[in-house]
Amino acid sequence: QKEVEQDPGPLSVPEGAIVSLNCTYSNSAFQYFMWYRQYSRKGPELLMYTYSSGNKEDGRFTAQVDKSSKYISLFIRDSQPSDSATYLCAGSKTSYDKVIFGPGTSLSVIP
Amino acid sequence: EAGVVQSPRYKIIEKKQPVAFWCNPISGHNTLYWYLQNLGQGPELLIRYENEEAVDDSQLPKDRFSAERLKGVDSTLKIQPAELGDSAVYLCASSFQKNTEAFFGQGTRLTVV
Repeated sequence: QKEVEQDPGPLSVPEGAIVSLNCTYSNSAFQYFMWYRQYSRKGPELLMYTYSSGNKEDGRFTAQVDKSSKYISLFIRDSQPSDSATYLCAGSKTSYDKVIFGPGTSLSVIP
Repeated sequence: EAGVVQSPRYKIIEKKQPVAFWCNPISGHNTLYWYLQNLGQGPELLIRYENEEAVDDSQLPKDRFSAERLKGVDSTLKIQPAELGDSAVYLCASSFQKNTEAFFGQGTRLTVV
């Protein structure tokens, strides 16, 4: 079993839709959780960073972590075609420990 | 400000040949990472440097892979000899220090034929 798992998709939604991306992890020692966005043929870029359980909002993006169920979510409101990318969730035990990535979910936002 | 620069962007080699990748991190970044990303997978850490010291190389296949970061700035990752299964994207990332945001380069896409 991989430490971080995601549905690979692809997920296709119309422009303006609310997108929900989900991730599960198995390592109960994870305290830090991240969402990265990766455009085709580019490196990943950090989108959201949260510590422990709870919600964090940044513009159209909201990250949720539920440590009791080892479940991580990313919500995108008013999705735009420019949001079309692969979204990678990740976790780590400390702020400087090795980051473990999920396989990513491919998202397409159709105009 | 320039981001993390990697070269070459693409490389095609025959199996058993050597290959090297180069990474120039963001100026002032002390921590440098090399990741391997297979198709449809997330990046996997190969090695992490703090300045010129390799502090986590447990995932680096040392029989054929080597890395160096002379003077704590640029880094090279080498594979010798390459195998078909080494075909992947090799990503370099850097951060100011180990617990700050890491910025990724565009990667080198290696194809071994």
